[in-house]
Amino acid sequence: DADVTQTPRNRITKTGKRIMLECSQTKGHDRMYWYRQDPGLGLQLIYYSFDVKDINKGEISDGYSVSRQAQAKFSLSLESAIPNQTALYFCATSAIAEDTQYFGPGTRLTVL
Amino acid sequence: AQSVSQHNHHVILSEAASLELGCNYSYGGTVNLFWYVQYPGQHLQLLLKYFSGDPLVKGIKGFEAEFIKSKFSFNLRKPSVQWSDTAEYFCAVNAYNTDKLIFGTGTRLQVFP
Repeated sequence: DADVTQTPRNRITKTGKRIMLECSQTKGHDRMYWYRQDPGLGLQLIYYSFDVKDINKGEISDGYSVSRQAQAKFSLSLESAIPNQTALYFCATSAIAEDTQYFGPGTRLTVL
Repeated sequence: AQSVSQHNHHVILSEAASLELGCNYSYGGTVNLFWYVQYPGQHLQLLLKYFSGDPLVKGIKGFEAEFIKSKFSFNLRKPSVQWSDTAEYFCAVNAYNTDKLIFGTGTRLQVFP
């Protein structure tokens, strides 16, 4: 079984809709991250969390919010989706900040 | 602010050709360095990493990278590429005490038989 899972894997939605992307991990890591990937831009950090009570904004947090429901779960929400949020979204985990990050399979989100 | 530059955006090679992908970063302190690979339709996977010690790091699938501190570089190399190496390659840097991994924009490698 995959260590980092994301649901849904694909989602098409309309402008203005609220969307939640979910991430779960079985690696036992404290640190979790949400990135978006756009062609030619690499990965940009949206939010990150070092434990259940710790949430931090990344480079591009505007228009997004997160919830760390448990050590193993980290959800990303788009309160009112807009077309330029169409992207591939990845969740990642790490044991400590300086160590390897392990990525989930990604969620492809299309906002019409 | 930290940044990571990958100057080769798209590289096209024939099988058995040698590969070198450039990666430069801007940060003067201690760093951890990573190369990730993303095969078509898949998630990012760690190719290799450098934390300390021997600056020549060997990774999976015959890849290696050399950390040259004076040049702020961490170039990825493979002596002979295969068609299965077709993928996007990302360099990433984690500077101590910053808690974040900064990615380059990626290099798309296409290998033709």
